[in-house]
Amino acid sequence: DGGITQSPKYLFRKEGQNVTLSCEQNLNHDAMYWYRQDPGQGLRLIYYSQIVNDFQKGDIAEGYSVSREKKESFPLTVTSAQKNPTAFYLCASSYIGGRRMNTEAFFGQGTRLTVV
Amino acid sequence: SQQGEEDPQALSIQEGENATMNCSYKTSINNLQWYRQNSGRGLVHLILIRSNEREKHSGRLRVTLDTSKKSSSLLITASRAADTASYFCATEFFTGNQFYFGTGTSLTVIP
Repeated sequence: DGGITQSPKYLFRKEGQNVTLSCEQNLNHDAMYWYRQDPGQGLRLIYYSQIVNDFQKGDIAEGYSVSREKKESFPLTVTSAQKNPTAFYLCASSYIGGRRMNTEAFFGQGTRLTVV
Repeated sequence: SQQGEEDPQALSIQEGENATMNCSYKTSINNLQWYRQNSGRGLVHLILIRSNEREKHSGRLRVTLDTSKKSSSLLITASRAADTASYFCATEFFTGNQFYFGTGTSLTVIP
């Protein structure tokens, strides 16, 4: 089945630890995104990547890092520098069409991160 | 912020009624999209309308776009209990291929 997969579904982190959230897609999409969702605040863009080995900061990149070594994979690391990491994290991918116009985004089912 | 803003934040209607939610944004766009999110799940794409389009239909969904007012509306006709979810608009601006999401409208359809 084609799709985008996030793992794990639930993740618990102790304060001061780094954790990595996985995102894999087999849709052959060029672009991949990470969003953070807090209650009542909608989705905020953390990082995005349009091509392998290149990525751009979104609105709230501080305390996060990403890599894009393969087209299919875009892992997100939540570092100890992120002061309030408890949130729902969503990964998405999309095809970059002609004239660099995006089409729809496909989302994973999310990872709920809790700091304990 | 380049986020869109949905209005209302929450909407509760009876099954069979129509539901209308609105989205406003700040700068010129390539396209505007509407997504649906069931509680605790990922978002699912509903419909995309390009900046040169004014209205689009998909099943019970009708989307309008008014670029002069920088606003869009999503109409769900003959609502069903299964339509209960949060609905988000997302905009793609000319500068960069990013999606910017609004804060969402929480829709409850009462059976």
